[in-house]
Amino acid sequence: DGGITQSPKYLFRKEGQNVTLSCEQNLNHDAMYWYRQDPGQGLRLIYYSQIVNDFQKGDIAEGYSVSREKKESFPLTVTSAQKNPTAFYLCASTPTGVGGYTFGSGTRLTVV
Amino acid sequence: GEDVEQSLFLSVREGDSSVINCTYTDSSSTYLYWYKQEPGAGLQLLTYIFSNMDMKQDQRLTVLLNKKDKHLSLRIADTQTGDSAIYFCVYSSASKIIFGSGTRLSIRP
Repeated sequence: DGGITQSPKYLFRKEGQNVTLSCEQNLNHDAMYWYRQDPGQGLRLIYYSQIVNDFQKGDIAEGYSVSREKKESFPLTVTSAQKNPTAFYLCASTPTGVGGYTFGSGTRLTVV
Repeated sequence: GEDVEQSLFLSVREGDSSVINCTYTDSSSTYLYWYKQEPGAGLQLLTYIFSNMDMKQDQRLTVLLNKKDKHLSLRIADTQTGDSAIYFCVYSSASKIIFGSGTRLSIRP
């Protein structure tokens, strides 16, 4: 079955470390997105990519980095520059960037 | 497993009320959200409700939550052409967040 796989489901990071969250899709979707969710707040866009080897910053890109070397994969690195990284991270994809979202199951990152 | 279900399409006449429905399976939710996505844009949070509330109203938007039936609805009063979008129902708890597949709302004159 087609879908989006995010891993790991839970991730713990020590302060000062970089961590990378994985997002893989087998839907042949062109566009992929990373969102951050904090309790009681809406999703906030971190980065998005419309095509391979191209990506744009979202609303809260500082302290994050991404790559899009393959259509299927859009990993997100949370760097030590991100001051408040503890949150729920959600990956999504769409075929054309206009609706039709498919969402991953998310990764909960906790800084210890 | 956990699931959030929405109807895929809704067509409403301009000026009428729109009601978008959502059902979910889990009972441990803390927040339930409604998001709007317009063509070419990202997700926009419209409103949210705590799971211990029954209703929340915000201008033209009314959210109703029936915890017993695990049913959430979004009512848009006086629907306008600018309301044309995809609306996502989202369920969240301490350990997970689940999106519905979205309801495409179209407005006819």
